[in-house]
Amino acid sequence: RKEVEQDPGPFNVPEGATVAFNCTYSNSASQSFFWYRQDCRKEPKLLMSVYSSGNEDGRFTAQLNRASQYISLLIRDSKLSDSATYLCVVRDYGQNFVFGPGTRLSVLP
Amino acid sequence: DGGITQSPKYLFRKEGQNVTLSCEQNLNHDAMYWYRQDPGQGLRLIYYSQIVNDFQKGDIAEGYSVSREKKESFPLTVTSAQKNPTAFYLCASSITVGRSYEKLFFGSGTQLSVL
Repeated sequence: RKEVEQDPGPFNVPEGATVAFNCTYSNSASQSFFWYRQDCRKEPKLLMSVYSSGNEDGRFTAQLNRASQYISLLIRDSKLSDSATYLCVVRDYGQNFVFGPGTRLSVLP
Repeated sequence: DGGITQSPKYLFRKEGQNVTLSCEQNLNHDAMYWYRQDPGQGLRLIYYSQIVNDFQKGDIAEGYSVSREKKESFPLTVTSAQKNPTAFYLCASSITVGRSYEKLFFGSGTQLSVL
């Protein structure tokens, strides 16, 4: 079983749609959780850290369920500029960052 | 502005040749990392370094070597032993290992191709 798994994608959605990404992780000792965004052939950029209580940043909402070892990212009112690959990243205390394979999103006009 | 600089942006390697990818950061970060990304794949850890003069192998270290002689610099050498080096290489840094919610900051990457 892979350490971090994500929806295989790609997701093709119309502008204005709401889209949800799912991620599961295998190590119950994982401490920190993040969503990164990566445009084609560019470096990943931090979108959001994911906190236990859940957090929101504008159109983006992240949730964490430690019991189920599950992380989600919700994008509301999607824009053309949201088209990218979304990477789920998990970090164990004192250890390294483990990346999921990513889910590609295409927002269509 | 603080950041991570990778060079070159594109690099071509001949058969049997060693090539070195540069990574420099002026963020005063202790930890530095090298990742490899293949098309349609996630990032895989090659090597990481938590402090100067110390580094550890990641998941796919075979065929690669690194050094950490200065805090700011973490060059990666792709040796001739790496038989499939064509990939996008990303260097990253974080403030220190061991603190929750320490974020990774990335350089802009180097695309390595075999001639």
